[in-house]
Amino acid sequence: QRVTQPEKLLSVFKGAPVELKCNYSYSGSPELFWYVQYSRQRLQLLLRHISRESIKGFTADLNKGETSFHLKKPFAQEEDSAMYYCALLSGGYQKVTFGIGTKLQVIP
Amino acid sequence: DTGVSQNPRHKITKRGQNVTFRCDPISEHNRLYWYRQTLGQGPEFLTYFQNEAQLEKSRLLSDRFSAERPKGSFSTLEIQRTEQGDSAMYLCASSPTSGGNTGELFFGEGSRLTVL
Repeated sequence: QRVTQPEKLLSVFKGAPVELKCNYSYSGSPELFWYVQYSRQRLQLLLRHISRESIKGFTADLNKGETSFHLKKPFAQEEDSAMYYCALLSGGYQKVTFGIGTKLQVIP
Repeated sequence: DTGVSQNPRHKITKRGQNVTFRCDPISEHNRLYWYRQTLGQGPEFLTYFQNEAQLEKSRLLSDRFSAERPKGSFSTLEIQRTEQGDSAMYLCASSPTSGGNTGELFFGEGSRLTVL
């Protein structure tokens, strides 16, 4: 299993739309997550695909055809600046694999 | 604070010395994970326990690394004969096996190792 986040840094202006890309490779049925790490805080769950919910205005849709799980927000806010990690939970022994992370910088 | 606790938070050691990190998970969580994170990288999986059983160990982990979870509660990660390449943040996470949060990892603040 592998998780790819192609952008290490994404800079957007406040109020602009945000899309953080995540692609995965896994032969089984994936369960995908987005984790976030704000400055000086521990890594924490932002959202998971099976919940199909919006957290802090962020949404993510699992596209099995494109093996993608991109994170989106229509209007970026300064407090969204953080490191974002896409993660894949694989079956069997429930191993969680993380991507390299994307740093989101929201410019005021 | 009932979150995941890691000790020590920082450790500076000389090359060749042994170090041990401790992780206390959330009490009702059966699963415990160790990850390593270096600058500019995401967390890399090291090993995983369900209760006291070590179910998977990464090929990244050399024989110098060993982890235990003797009573299915806290866990220790020991690195023997440390090398400069071992310098990293070592993250512990725990996860429940039932309930609405199944599969979610709850992370500690990490233990930063610097090998001189």
